[in-house]
Amino acid sequence: RKEVEQDPGPFNVPEGATVAFNCTYSNSASQSFFWYRQDCRKEPKLLMSVYSSGNEDGRFTAQLNRASQYISLLIRDSKLSDSATYLCVVNSGGNMLTFGGGTRLMVKP
Amino acid sequence: EADIYQTPRYLVIGTGKKITLECSQTMGHDKMYWYQQDPGMELHLIHYSYGVNSTEKGDLSSESTVSRIRTEHFPLTLESARPSHTSQYLCASSWTNYGYTFGSGTRLTVV
Repeated sequence: RKEVEQDPGPFNVPEGATVAFNCTYSNSASQSFFWYRQDCRKEPKLLMSVYSSGNEDGRFTAQLNRASQYISLLIRDSKLSDSATYLCVVNSGGNMLTFGGGTRLMVKP
Repeated sequence: EADIYQTPRYLVIGTGKKITLECSQTMGHDKMYWYQQDPGMELHLIHYSYGVNSTEKGDLSSESTVSRIRTEHFPLTLESARPSHTSQYLCASSWTNYGYTFGSGTRLTVV
């Protein structure tokens, strides 16, 4: 079993839709959590950190459920420019981040 | 504006050649990493360093080697390139327990 698991998608949604991605992690000792965005043939870029209390950045909301060991990302009012691969990332200690395989989002006009 | 730089961006090279991919960061990060990623596929950690004179192999077996003589510099070397080394190589750096900052990558093609 992978340490960080994501549905690879693709998620095909129309502009303006709300879409949610989930991610599960296996190490209960994991300490910090992130969502990264990766555009085609580009490097991953930090989208947002994920806090226990949940956090929001504009149209993006991240939630962490430590008891169930899952992380979610909600995107409201999807834009064409949101089309990308979203990587769930977990720090399980030891200064190392573990990347999920990514969920591909395609926003259609 | 990038604070972590990779050169070259693109490299096409013949089989058997020795190559060095450069990675430098200006953020003073103690930790640096090399990942390999094929198009549409997952990131695979091939090397990492927690500081000067510290290097470790990652999860994916790689024929490459790395060095960390200066905090800001973490080059990756392939002694004898093969077509199977064709991939994108991404360098990243971080502070402890913080997210990574990635360079723009080097897209390597071995012919």
